[in-house]
Amino acid sequence: DSGVTQTPKHLITATGQRVTLRCSPRSGDLSVYWYQQSLDQGLQFLIQYYNGEERAKGNILERFSAQQFPDLHSELNLSSLELGDSALYFCASSVDTTGNEKLFFGSGTQLSVL
Amino acid sequence: KNQVEQSPQSLIILEGKNCTLQCNYTVSPFSNLRWYKQDTGRGPVSLTIMTFSENTKSNGRYTATLDADTKQSSLHITASQLSDSASYICVVSGLRGGSQGNLIFGKGTKLSVKP
Repeated sequence: DSGVTQTPKHLITATGQRVTLRCSPRSGDLSVYWYQQSLDQGLQFLIQYYNGEERAKGNILERFSAQQFPDLHSELNLSSLELGDSALYFCASSVDTTGNEKLFFGSGTQLSVL
Repeated sequence: KNQVEQSPQSLIILEGKNCTLQCNYTVSPFSNLRWYKQDTGRGPVSLTIMTFSENTKSNGRYTATLDADTKQSSLHITASQLSDSASYICVVSGLRGGSQGNLIFGKGTKLSVKP
């Protein structure tokens, strides 16, 4: 158990809909990262929050947004969903003092857009 | 362009045998290189992290090597077990400092260990 909790585990929805994925980081970790993993593809970095503030942005679509709350949990909002958004979405957390620390990953949310 | 290439794409070995997975990268500047193990449908789990000054690191039956001059790394698995069946992902960080938003992930090597 990594200590990172993601909900829900599975999500099935239709095109055009909006969903919210939730992540609780490990106790003490200030950084939360979101990743997308499509079938047979490497993990793609979406966005990072550190102590409530956006710190880095990757290949995140404009239809996607995220935020980190005062209790450090984070939510990833996906809107106007398309078939191609079907993927595993992972959240990871880290203390991020030097940048050389481990990333701890949650078990992911499997999103299926039908 | 920053890239991480892994080989082979997939590998099948018999239980008890050793194997070596390869990773070549073009990420610059270089901060650290990590190997992760990802079971099907689960999140990746860190095996090793090496900075540019380290050329080998072990974690049980897993030994990673790094040659920062040739930009190559390998992960050696000794006396494989059925539970080693997973994807092994090489990840390179090009940033120094407090953010890991610049991690570049390889596509992984899918290892199957057969009895």
